[in-house]
Amino acid sequence: EVQLVQSGAEVKKPGESLKISCKGSGYSFTSYWIGWVRQMPGKGLEWMGIIYPGDSDTRYSPSFQGQVTISADKSISTAYLQWSSLKASDTAMYYCVRRYNSGFDYWGQGTLVTVSS
Amino acid sequence: EIVLTQSPATLSLSPGERATLSCRASQSVSSYLAWYQQKPGQAPRLLIYDASNRATGIPARFSGSGSGTDFTLTISSLEPEDFAVYYCQQRSNWPPEITFGPGTKVDIK
Repeated sequence: EVQLVQSGAEVKKPGESLKISCKGSGYSFTSYWIGWVRQMPGKGLEWMGIIYPGDSDTRYSPSFQGQVTISADKSISTAYLQWSSLKASDTAMYYCVRRYNSGFDYWGQGTLVTVSS
Repeated sequence: EIVLTQSPATLSLSPGERATLSCRASQSVSSYLAWYQQKPGQAPRLLIYDASNRATGIPARFSGSGSGTDFTLTISSLEPEDFAVYYCQQRSNWPPEITFGPGTKVDIK
């Protein structure tokens, strides 16, 4: 069974750093692109970026380029999304997703990040 | 950046009725379009990929059509569990990017 299991909810202060994770299982982790999608409270879906764990090729949405870093450790089948300095506007649910053809066929359960002073 | 526009923003229908949702791209995305369903408190679920292919486990009442810039998701006969928000999403090779539409909410009339 394919699963993407994300790390737990986080509460952080503005200016702090954060790295959240997404562990894939039940399939060849290095053979599928893994992406990250943001959903701010009560809003729609926004694609942040995507990584191919096989060779770490990474693409970012222009809206998120320079704001976050996406990485992967294929030895433990885990992808990461990190911030060096959080803002209140980073408060959102973050989903990791597996790319399949034109869509994303598996979604993690989501990681809620709350940034508040 | 390729922009996706979904219409209508809200669709009010009764169970058993047919739902027709539209997604329009600002430039051609060929058939690289997917549709998702999201219910409150849940992650989205892939319904359709490559414009017209149903994802695994998706009921046959869901169908997708279109190519280029105009796409449609049709729910042939609404079940109570189909009332949700629906998003379209494109994947383009050039520019290499992925974008989501703003969503259509299907609610009970």
